[in-house]
Amino acid sequence: GAVVSQHPSRVICKSGTSVKIECRSLDFQATTMFWYRQFPKQSLMLMATSNEGSKATYEQGVEKDKFLINHASLTLSTLTVTSAHPEDSSFYICSAPRTSGGDWRTDTQYFGPGTRLTVL
Amino acid sequence: AQKVTQAQTEISVVEKEDVTLDCVYETRDTTYYLFWYKQPPSGELVFLIRRNSFDEQNEISGRYSWNFQKSTSSFNFTITASQVVDSAVYFCALRRFDKLIFGTGTRLQVFP
Repeated sequence: GAVVSQHPSRVICKSGTSVKIECRSLDFQATTMFWYRQFPKQSLMLMATSNEGSKATYEQGVEKDKFLINHASLTLSTLTVTSAHPEDSSFYICSAPRTSGGDWRTDTQYFGPGTRLTVL
Repeated sequence: AQKVTQAQTEISVVEKEDVTLDCVYETRDTTYYLFWYKQPPSGELVFLIRRNSFDEQNEISGRYSWNFQKSTSSFNFTITASQVVDSAVYFCALRRFDKLIFGTGTRLQVFP
C-alpha cells in the first residue's frame, strides 16, 4: 500500500492566490522529504529538500519566497505556492526516504501520488 | 557531472513482446546507487529496483529483469512478455548523497 500521501490530489485556483500542498509519510518518520516538479511529458526536477527542524534547502533557480516549505513534524511537510501564476501550473510530487538500519545509503525514496496544480 | 540518459523517449510494442529500456549514467562517485521507477497514467511513481554500484549481479523479478554493466555505465531494464498494464513512463535515476537525479523517462505503450 501507499507509504506517502499527498493532499490535495488536484487543485484549481485563481492567479494571485496561494496554494498549500501536504505530504505525509504514513508509517515511518522522515527527517527529510523532497519536493519535485514535473511538467507534462518531462522528467522530475528536484525543487527543494525539506528538513525537519531546520530550513529547507532549495535547488538552484527555485525561488524560496515563491515556494515556501515547512517540515512541521517527522511525518509532514508542506509546500505553499505563494501568489500562484499560470506558469506555476504543474504536477508537484513529494518523496520521503524510508531508511533501513538508519543508514541513508540503504534507503529507498517513496513517492506520493502527486498534486496537479492548475492556475487560471 | 552526474547525469542519467534515457535515449528512448517512446517505445510501442504489442502485447507479449519483450522490450528493453536503456539507461546510461555518468558519475564520478565510486559508490553510487541506481533506481528504476514506473509512473503509470495516474502519476504516482512506483519503486521497482535499487542497485548498488558494487553489486553487478543481474536481477530478475517475475517478468522484469535488470542488466547492470559498470564497464558501459548502463543499467538496462527488460520486460518479458509485456502486458497492457506495463504501459507507463519508466524513469531511471541515480542517487547522489540523498538526492535523486532522474533521466528524462521512456514512455512505453503496450498495445493489445
